[in-house]
Amino acid sequence: DAKTTQPNSMESNEEEPVHLPCNHSTISGTDYIHWYRQLPSQGPEYVIHGLTSNVNNRMASLAIAEDRKSSTLILHRATLRDAAVYYCILRRGGGSQGNLIFGKGTKLSVKP
Amino acid sequence: DAGITQSPRHKVTETGTPVTLRCHQTENHRYMYWYRQDPGHGLRLIHYSYGVKDTDKGEVSDGYSVSRSKTEDFLLTLESATSSQTSVYFCAISEIGPDTQYFGPGTRLTVL
Repeated sequence: DAKTTQPNSMESNEEEPVHLPCNHSTISGTDYIHWYRQLPSQGPEYVIHGLTSNVNNRMASLAIAEDRKSSTLILHRATLRDAAVYYCILRRGGGSQGNLIFGKGTKLSVKP
Repeated sequence: DAGITQSPRHKVTETGTPVTLRCHQTENHRYMYWYRQDPGHGLRLIHYSYGVKDTDKGEVSDGYSVSRSKTEDFLLTLESATSSQTSVYFCAISEIGPDTQYFGPGTRLTVL
């Protein structure tokens, strides 16, 4: 599976937007970009995923570069509850076994 | 929230004893996974199942076995626990292989 690179940590102020970057320069054409997050003492939870086009859901937006070598997870108004480790993961489509390969992620701190 | 429970949630045991962790789902999803999470390693796949009685090894399967006799239950067994198996264990489910995964709350296992 292709590798992703994320900053180790980021800080944000409450109620401000947060842009979490992810580089994946070796992404293949069938790789989906998935984001999961893990709140303290909890299991990971799905945030969003996309293939080529930008995606929005109730939790976040995903902006994918035109060459797909990078993407950005956008939290429009950070809350204290958004403090978590965010993982950017590439998932191969087309019938693969489906296990997630987690890197170290970005630890997001949110200040009141 | 997806209906996934793990039991026990916490367990302390001694080296050499057998341990079984249970994952139970009410979503009727086909795929189930066991991961372990350790500081500095992120989450790593131990075993997964793609149907009743259909299982396969993951990245760190040595010392672990699994069984799935019913769609809703996936058991992880440590035949003879060692201190290196002290970890937090997460179960996950997905409807199809590459689909979104939903994680359970985790089991914290300490092997003395």
